[in-house]
Amino acid sequence: EVQLVESGGGLVKPGGSLRLSCAASGFTFSNAWMSWVRQAPGRGLEWVGHIKSKTDGGTTECAAPVKGRFTISRDDSKDTLYLQMNSLKTEDTAVYYCTTEKLVSDYWGQGTLVTVSS
Amino acid sequence: DIVMTQSPDSLAVSLGERATINCKSSQSVLYSSNKKNYLAWYQQRPGQSPKLLIYWVSTRESGVPDRFSGSGSGTDFTLTISSLQAEDVAVYYCQQYYNTPPTFGQGTKVEIK
Repeated sequence: EVQLVESGGGLVKPGGSLRLSCAASGFTFSNAWMSWVRQAPGRGLEWVGHIKSKTDGGTTECAAPVKGRFTISRDDSKDTLYLQMNSLKTEDTAVYYCTTEKLVSDYWGQGTLVTVSS
Repeated sequence: DIVMTQSPDSLAVSLGERATINCKSSQSVLYSSNKKNYLAWYQQRPGQSPKLLIYWVSTRESGVPDRFSGSGSGTDFTLTISSLQAEDVAVYYCQQYYNTPPTFGQGTKVEIK
């Protein structure tokens, strides 16, 4: 059974940093493209970015609102996906979901809440 | 970025009745080389994570009941729930994956009348 478990969310001040983790199990993590999708309170879904498998180049892409501030990485030895978030803004407040990505997001974690507030 | 617009924003349907949700993309998501429409639908029940329902417009994900169906091509798409059940109360999102970034519609909330 595929499981994705996010952690690392919390309250942070504007301008601060946070690193989210996503522990994966139930599939061959190293072969998977992985993505982050966020959902602001009471709002819709927004793709944050993805990282390809190393066999597909291991490259990352991020959405324009977070480019230059957020970095996606992976540790295939630990079956873990990361999202390093720097220079956080109040508009980054959201539940952050980790997903597997085979063109579409076919498996989702339960999400972790990030609140950016002074 | 491709803008996805859903209608209506919400609808209330009686149990056992049909629910229809529309999704329009700002440009075609039909890839000419393989004739595939890069359009998916997700369901998000209250308090839960989103769940993939349908991809390639009409291919149901494993385990999705056949009362859910998708149709359309190019820029106009529809998700139909043929006979609404209580467990179908949720917000439904369309998504294009034709290009990066993948983008979602604003969501349609389905409730019981």
